[in-house]
Amino acid sequence: DAKTTQPTSMDCAEGRAANLPCNHSTISGNEYVYWYRQIHSQGPQYIIHGLKNNETNEMASLIITEDRKSSTLILPHATLRDTAVYYCIVRVAFDSSNTGKLIFGQGTTLQVKP
Amino acid sequence: GAVVSQHPSWVICKSGTSVKIECRSLDFQATTMFWYRQFPKQSLMLMATSNEGSKATYEQGVEKDKFLINHASLTLSTLTVTSAHPEDSSFYICSASLRPERGHGYTFGSGTRLTVV
Repeated sequence: DAKTTQPTSMDCAEGRAANLPCNHSTISGNEYVYWYRQIHSQGPQYIIHGLKNNETNEMASLIITEDRKSSTLILPHATLRDTAVYYCIVRVAFDSSNTGKLIFGQGTTLQVKP
Repeated sequence: GAVVSQHPSWVICKSGTSVKIECRSLDFQATTMFWYRQFPKQSLMLMATSNEGSKATYEQGVEKDKFLINHASLTLSTLTVTSAHPEDSSFYICSASLRPERGHGYTFGSGTRLTVV
């Protein structure tokens, strides 16, 4: 699976957009980009995922560059409850020989400040 | 939808005893579940892939005889920490996906905090 690189930590003002970058320069054509977050002492929470196109849901937007070597997770209006560790994960597409397991890196600790 | 329930949420046990942790997919069937371990201030480490009706696949360095995994039904996987020792104290988390072949996201349980004294 392709490796991802994320900044160790970031700050964001409450109410502003939080833009979390992720580099995955060795990503392959059949690998998805997933984003999860983990609030202290809880299980990770699914945010969004994508393959090639930009994606948006009720939580966030995922912007994937045209060459797919990097992506950005956007939380449009960050709140204090968005303070968490955010993980960017590249996952091989599921097939008969691959269960698509998720391998977590170190993630980005996002601190949303009042 | 896609809820994963994990039980217990925390457990304290004596050194040398065994502890069983349950992971259930409440509203979907999961042929594959995953077990992770997380030490304080560290990321999640994948321990094993639990396969319904067959043996689990363990990641390199994980002792299969110490961490017994059973996936007897499409909605239940269990992790048993055998002969637990203080160094096994950790946060254990399971996950499952409704339709992994369609690229669906994986849902995680709320985790089990194990403390071995």
